[in-house]
Amino acid sequence: RKEVEQDPGPFNVPEGATVAFNCTYSNSASQSFFWYRQDCRKEPKLLMSVYSSGNEDGRFTAQLNRASQYISLLIRDSKLSDSATYLCVVIISGGNEKLTFGTGTRLTIIP
Amino acid sequence: DGGITQSPKYLFRKEGQNVTLSCEQNLNHDAMYWYRQDPGQGLRLIYYSQIVNDFQKGDIAEGYSVSREKKESFPLTVTSAQKNPTAFYLCASSRREGNLYEQYFGPGTRLTVT
Repeated sequence: RKEVEQDPGPFNVPEGATVAFNCTYSNSASQSFFWYRQDCRKEPKLLMSVYSSGNEDGRFTAQLNRASQYISLLIRDSKLSDSATYLCVVIISGGNEKLTFGTGTRLTIIP
Repeated sequence: DGGITQSPKYLFRKEGQNVTLSCEQNLNHDAMYWYRQDPGQGLRLIYYSQIVNDFQKGDIAEGYSVSREKKESFPLTVTSAQKNPTAFYLCASSRREGNLYEQYFGPGTRLTVT
């Protein structure tokens, strides 16, 4: 089983719609969680950290469910510019700050 | 401007040659990383370094080597022993201050070996 799993998609969603996707992680010792965004042929960029209480940044909401070992990302009122691959990232405790990446979920917003 | 630079953006090499990819950061970050990304796959960790003159193997270190002689620099050498070197290589650096953690990536180097 992969340490971090995501549905690769692609998800094709009309502009203005709400879209959500999950990411599951296998190691219960995972401590820190992030969503990164990667545009085609570019480097990943941090979208948001995911906190235990859940957090929101504009149209984006991230949530963590430790009991079921998954994190989620919700995008409201989707824009064409939201088209990208979204990477789920986990840090497992141990002090070495080693990030484990999911394979990413490809999202395309359709006009 | 603060950031991470990688050069060159595109690199072509013949099979059997060693090649070194550069990564420089002026963010004063202690930790630096090298990842490899292949089409349809996530990022896989090659090597990482948490402090100058120290580094650890990641998940796919075979066929690669690194050095960390300066805080700002973490070059990666792809040796001829690497069976499938053609890939997108990403360098990153990070810092943690309490609960705040951030990791920045360089723009990447696309290596093609023929």
